[in-house]
Amino acid sequence: EIVLTQSPGTLSLSPGERATLSCRASQIFGSDYLAWYQQKPGQSPRLLIYRASNRATGIPDRFSGSGSGTDFTLTISRLEPEDFAVYYCQQYGSSPWTFGQGTKVEIK
Amino acid sequence: EVQLLESGGDLVQPGGSLRLSCEGSGFTFRSYAMSWVRQTPGKGLEWVSSISNTGGKTYYADSVRGRFTIARDNSKNTLYLQMNTLSTEDTAVFYCARHTAGAGPNFDYWGQGTLVTVSS
Repeated sequence: EIVLTQSPGTLSLSPGERATLSCRASQIFGSDYLAWYQQKPGQSPRLLIYRASNRATGIPDRFSGSGSGTDFTLTISRLEPEDFAVYYCQQYGSSPWTFGQGTKVEIK
Repeated sequence: EVQLLESGGDLVQPGGSLRLSCEGSGFTFRSYAMSWVRQTPGKGLEWVSSISNTGGKTYYADSVRGRFTIARDNSKNTLYLQMNTLSTEDTAVFYCARHTAGAGPNFDYWGQGTLVTVSS
């Protein structure tokens, strides 16, 4: 089973700042099949990025994904108030599909 | 508008059974693979099971294989999860989720979740 480790656990930033979230896999999985989700309290996860760098429908371009192999990054170029949430990565290149433990982006 | 509506969550005793349902609307249900994903405060998000768009292929996490059965009825736009021999470890919010079209098992739409509590 591929373990995804997200860092940092919590990121304290101000609106307008840049957020950089990391997701590291315990081994390489196929074809950069990595997704990122956003989850707000009391809500279901929302797909942001799939295939490492492809924005999902309706996702603002301040969200971008990059990386390959075992190291992936989600960048939020300028934080808006609605971006403060928990972010999860998920790999779907090797069954069982697994999720990271999440990074909380909180208001500083 | 794509909607996924889960139901069936409940309080059940260890060893008991439960069936979850998820009704899809706003999209051509029979064209999409579907999954169940659960979430707990302690273990986070965990993929549970997936089913192909026709129902011909099913996949399970090791933690539920042999106890849970995923199924779908495309005539009713409904996804199911039959859960047997439940343990306290199965306590979670269960989400149904649609696979992103042509992009593998990542999930572009999620239901609101249904709570399963296994406790005596």
